[in-house]
Amino acid sequence: DTAVSQTPKYLVTQMGNDKSIKCEQNLGHDTMYWYKQDSKKFLKIMFSYNNKELIINETVPNRFSPKSPDKAHLNLHINSLELGDSAVYFCASSQPGQGNYGYTFGSGTRLTVV
Amino acid sequence: GEDVEQSLFLSVREGDSSVINCTYTDSSSTYLYWYKQEPGAGLQLLTYIFSNMDMKQDQRLTVLLNKKDKHLSLRIADTQTGDSAIYFCAESISGTYKYIFGTGTRLKVLA
Repeated sequence: DTAVSQTPKYLVTQMGNDKSIKCEQNLGHDTMYWYKQDSKKFLKIMFSYNNKELIINETVPNRFSPKSPDKAHLNLHINSLELGDSAVYFCASSQPGQGNYGYTFGSGTRLTVV
Repeated sequence: GEDVEQSLFLSVREGDSSVINCTYTDSSSTYLYWYKQEPGAGLQLLTYIFSNMDMKQDQRLTVLLNKKDKHLSLRIADTQTGDSAIYFCAESISGTYKYIFGTGTRLKVLA
């Protein structure tokens, strides 16, 4: 009964490969997010979807493509992986309009590109 | 810009109070938040404060907000070793669904 679940938890892959990270939330939230946390622990927003519609698309290489088949799922596909893509990627969800707008985070996917 | 600043490290002795500071940028932020990240885990919402409040207390946690200086602080009373973690402040950017997170403060509690 995990609220926001991401898979896989760890991903080690070679440069040039294409990989996907999946995220699912069972909170009934309308809005989902992808954040990237680098080695210095800085968190940067990448994308956000509200009810399957892309609403935030930060300056991210177009090798990164989010997909939201329904409002409970937000996947992240990365093409032609580079060393600099190594980071922890966090999925989160929220329900704007419900009081404090707080995020619920997944436990993260640690991506290592070798 | 959209920088939210925090000091990177804080070390306290068990039983003392910890104060983690944050300077944010968007004066029209509706809510400001504190999150805790333990090693290998995601961020956990600790507490939040609405922008028309100056202070909020929640058990051992006290949040102070100075809107004039755009300064937010989190005080943890009777700090325990289990409080060792990285603490992030975050502001909601008005008119968007976006949050900007601070740089994170790594709190180390010494036994």
